[in-house]
Amino acid sequence: NAGVTQTPKFRVLKTGQSMTLLCAQDMNHEYMYWYRQDPGMGLRLIHYSVGEGTTAKGEVPDGYNVSRLKKQNFLLGLESAAPSQTSVYFCASSHTTVSGQPQHFGDGTRLSIL
Amino acid sequence: GENVEQHPSTLSVQEGDSAVIKCTYSDSASNYFPWYKQELGKRPQLIIDIRSNVGEKKDQRIAVTLNKTAKHFSLHITETQPEDSAVYFCAANPPGISSGSARQLTFGSGTQLTVLP
Repeated sequence: NAGVTQTPKFRVLKTGQSMTLLCAQDMNHEYMYWYRQDPGMGLRLIHYSVGEGTTAKGEVPDGYNVSRLKKQNFLLGLESAAPSQTSVYFCASSHTTVSGQPQHFGDGTRLSIL
Repeated sequence: GENVEQHPSTLSVQEGDSAVIKCTYSDSASNYFPWYKQELGKRPQLIIDIRSNVGEKKDQRIAVTLNKTAKHFSLHITETQPEDSAVYFCAANPPGISSGSARQLTFGSGTQLTVLP
């Protein structure tokens, strides 16, 4: 049981390049999330998904796109990378309940945009 | 939307002393409050959580208290040890617009706890 797995772990891009970050979970969770973490700013939600085939915007969605074609996978795309997108990206997943459930995080992807 | 403020941003304590981190939230409908610990270069990991129908919860050296009237909750770590050194995040989870809405967490900005030997 691997939990939440993110690939790649590190990546360096040039401004204007595109890339996709992959998140996979094996806990049969309905909900999946993408966050970015910048120094002194905690975790900010980029996009999330409440189930296969559905996505929604979070707090900081601009410059990112997501897809959830399979329940276990959640992809985050950068169409044209900008230096402001240099950050650590975390994926998380959780069960769906009315009363709230803890989110389980992956190990993160360190992304640098030059 | 929900707004979570966390204080202090940095905290240093002597080994064996207690540490307290406080958070306030804005949405009175929030009903779930987890705390995460993040060691340097690692993922955030849940250490304790509390729901709005409970005022206090303990797990060995860690406890969380919730004051719904004042809209604040606190993390208490007793008998601190060097391995408690990490960044701690609080979060609040308001209910969704409908039963199908995502359980979004709003995080505080984090507290860097350093336990001095």
